Amino acid sequence: DQQVKQNSPSLSVQEGRISILNCDYTNSMFDYFLWYKKYPAEGPTFLISISSIKDKNEDGRFTVFLNKSAKHLSLHIVPSQPGDSAVYFCAARMDGNEKLTFGTGTRLTIIP
Amino acid sequence: GAVVSQHPSRVICKSGTSVKIECRSLDFQATTMFWYRQFPKQSLMLMATSNEGSKATYEQGVEKDKFLINHASLTLSTLTVTSAHPEDSSFYICSASLHVNQPQHFGDGTRLSIL
Repeated sequence: DQQVKQNSPSLSVQEGRISILNCDYTNSMFDYFLWYKKYPAEGPTFLISISSIKDKNEDGRFTVFLNKSAKHLSLHIVPSQPGDSAVYFCAARMDGNEKLTFGTGTRLTIIP
Repeated sequence: GAVVSQHPSRVICKSGTSVKIECRSLDFQATTMFWYRQFPKQSLMLMATSNEGSKATYEQGVEKDKFLINHASLTLSTLTVTSAHPEDSSFYICSASLHVNQPQHFGDGTRLSIL
């Protein structure tokens, strides 16, 4: 049972444009969400997170939006840069529980 | 801060060999570390939670006798894949966090290939 889903396995975006990566979850007990970026043969790198008490969190070029009623979150990257090309994973956890549940990832390719 | 180091980065060995993977928190103490496994083009799946000074907590379907976890100090957890077979070939990644409410930081992973 995949509780965190990333339905787009891949996404290509022109350099300078906005990249939007989507994530859906089914478990309403999740209350903290994270986005990680992963290069081949490396571990995931933490990007940005959001608590369920918020609907938006921004950090530089990265913004995460959370729609609790739809159980949906998205990561916006603007402007997209070639170095953003990587696999992006969303992850979720429950309050007081460190265990993370990961989505299947979306491979983002930024076209120069 | 929050650097996690994992060693080795790659292991190739014969079937039946036992392989030990180390995970270290370099600049912080981690009472809890996590071990994940990732198959090609799939998600990271949590295998077990490693607790300093006590037994690891394994996820459903993970054989504790196959994947031995030791968390002997606040900066080191080890995963030993015992009597490894080709189906154990995978990418193993560890993580740790500064605090329960902080994001997990990951090591660079270990690519295990069993011939």
